[in-house]
Amino acid sequence: GAVVSQHPSWVICKSGTSVKIECRSLDFQATTMFWYRQFPKQSLMLMATSNEGSKATYEQGVEKDKFLINHASLTLSTLTVTSAHPEDSSFYICSARKGLAAAYEQYFGPGTRLTVT
Amino acid sequence: GESVGLHLPTLSVQEGDNSIINCAYSNSASDYFIWYKQESGKGPQFIIDIRSNMDKRQGQRVTVLLNKTVKHLSLQIAATQPGDSAVYFCAENRAYGGATNKLIFGTGTLLAVQP
Repeated sequence: GAVVSQHPSWVICKSGTSVKIECRSLDFQATTMFWYRQFPKQSLMLMATSNEGSKATYEQGVEKDKFLINHASLTLSTLTVTSAHPEDSSFYICSARKGLAAAYEQYFGPGTRLTVT
Repeated sequence: GESVGLHLPTLSVQEGDNSIINCAYSNSASDYFIWYKQESGKGPQFIIDIRSNMDKRQGQRVTVLLNKTVKHLSLQIAATQPGDSAVYFCAENRAYGGATNKLIFGTGTLLAVQP
């Protein structure tokens, strides 16, 4: 199979604090991971593309200093929301791709619900 | 900017009927399309995909049709069941040079199956 997990599944934090979300590929090595944000009743919006061992590529309008992405290994990528504010409350979803030869295959995690109070 | 959009934000069908969910895309260079099902509070679940060199692909109870002439994609669900109730997204794959591919999601359609 190709299973992607996220931790935590939900988190509540206070405004001004930082929160880290983990994305793990459990049974395969992911050369590329993607982070999406989804607001209620809206679509998934790609935030950034993360390649193992290199800096993430952020989509236009996404603040790289606010959403820190680290892809330190082939099975783990982390998204840190720094100085979180209520408007950052959202559903964050990651996906992982097995490799360049499998460019079309993306496997999605279950998502992390972030609520900033 | 370019986007993938859906015609119907909400679709209500009777259990046992067939459902058709539509999607319009704008980038003629997109070479791969996917339909996802998303239940409340969960990540997207792969349903079926189709490459741009095809116009039809069938799975179990689902069929995807691709019309490149009018840049239109549809998902047909046969004998719709209550468990099919969810939001359905189409997504297009675009290559941005090198090996980089990105999935661009459409706006989504809520399918409500009435018993």
